[in-house]
Formats: sequence, structure tokens, C-alpha cells
Amino acid sequence: GENVEQHPSTLSVQEGDSAVIKCTYSDSASNYFPWYKQELGKRPQLIIDIRSNVGEKKDQRIAVTLNKTAKHFSLHITETQPEDSAVYFCAASNYVDMRFGAGTRLTVKP
Amino acid sequence: NAGVMQNPRHLVRRRGQEARLRCSPMKGHSHVYWYRQLPEEGLKFMVYLQKENIIDESGMPKERFSAEFPKEGPSILRIQQVVRGDSAAYFCASSPTGGSGEQYFGPGTRLTVT
Repeated sequence: GENVEQHPSTLSVQEGDSAVIKCTYSDSASNYFPWYKQELGKRPQLIIDIRSNVGEKKDQRIAVTLNKTAKHFSLHITETQPEDSAVYFCAASNYVDMRFGAGTRLTVKP
Repeated sequence: NAGVMQNPRHLVRRRGQEARLRCSPMKGHSHVYWYRQLPEEGLKFMVYLQKENIIDESGMPKERFSAEFPKEGPSILRIQQVVRGDSAAYFCASSPTGGSGEQYFGPGTRLTVT
């Protein structure tokens, strides 16, 4: 089955700096890669996703890149703000189900 | 369009009791997923269901846990004879297409076993 690894587990940046979170996956059949943001005590919220026929996708300050050959994908947050502080999860999905990375706790210091 | 609904939001059970967690998917979604999240940990896949069918239960413990998604009504995750290690947040997510479709999460049920 699919195995998703996520790094780093914690990340602390200064407000205004960029943050990068990386994930690798094992199942070459995976074709959908979403990212979720989870604030303390809240539900995971989908913030951006990418499909395997696309190499990069951007939405304002958030971008995701995918390298299918190397089986890794990354989340980039630019101009970070304190409200970006949360746990971020990557996931990989094949035609059956989805598996999540262990999460990255991002702290943005004002 | 109401989002994914879960109830109860908080559930306290004594060891040995049964816990029943309910999930109503978004309107038009026929695919439901259940995940368990321990404090400070990630989302662990448990089971994937479509109406009246279990598609993948590879993440479900073999004993005491069961799930269903009947033709009418919510999906139910049932935990029999709960133990302290079952204390966690249980999230369900629904999807319109399953597989490589977007999943939208409910608010979760926080189960505490005393």
C-alpha cells in the first residue's frame, strides 16, 4: 500500500519568511496530492491540491510542486503570517484511497 | 450545502462500554472515510465505505471495531468494549467521487475512555 513520509516534523520561521514542507510517496499509481491545514482542535481543511498531470500549482501565497519521477511533492508558503501557524498534512491518493503524512507543525513568529 | 456532520462532538465512555460515532456526508457525496487521530499525531486511515459497501478496511483493528454506511442514514463507526487506548479524535471525510477525489472533513468526535 501507499506510504507517505513528511519532513520536517516541526518548522519555525519568522513572519515574512518562506516555509517549505516536503513529502515523498511510494505508490507510483498515486495521482492526486492534497495538502491540509489543521488548526488546534479543528478539522483538517483542504488548502491546495495537485494532480499528476501538473508539475506546479499556485494559489496566492501557497504553491505546490510535484516531481512524479522522484515521487516527491512540496508545499511552499511565501510571506508567512502568524495565522499560517498550524499543522500541515500532505497526502497521496490512488484510485482507491488516500494516505497521509505524519504532519508538520509550522510556527510563524511575529 | 451543509458540510460533513459528525455527532456527538464529544463522547465519554467507561472501559468496556460501546461507542457509536455518526457521520453524515455532504449532500451528493456517497464516499465516506474514517480516520483516527491521537493527540499530537497524524491522521491514520481506518476504513473507506460507499453506500452499503466496505471498500477498504485495511486500517481498521481486527477486533472490536466495525463500520457501516447504510442505504439510508449516516455512516456509523462502532467500537465495542472500549479501552483507554481508544481515546482519540475520530474524523470522517466525504468525497463525491472517491479514489482521487477531494475529501472534506467533519469536525470530528473526541472520544474519551475513562
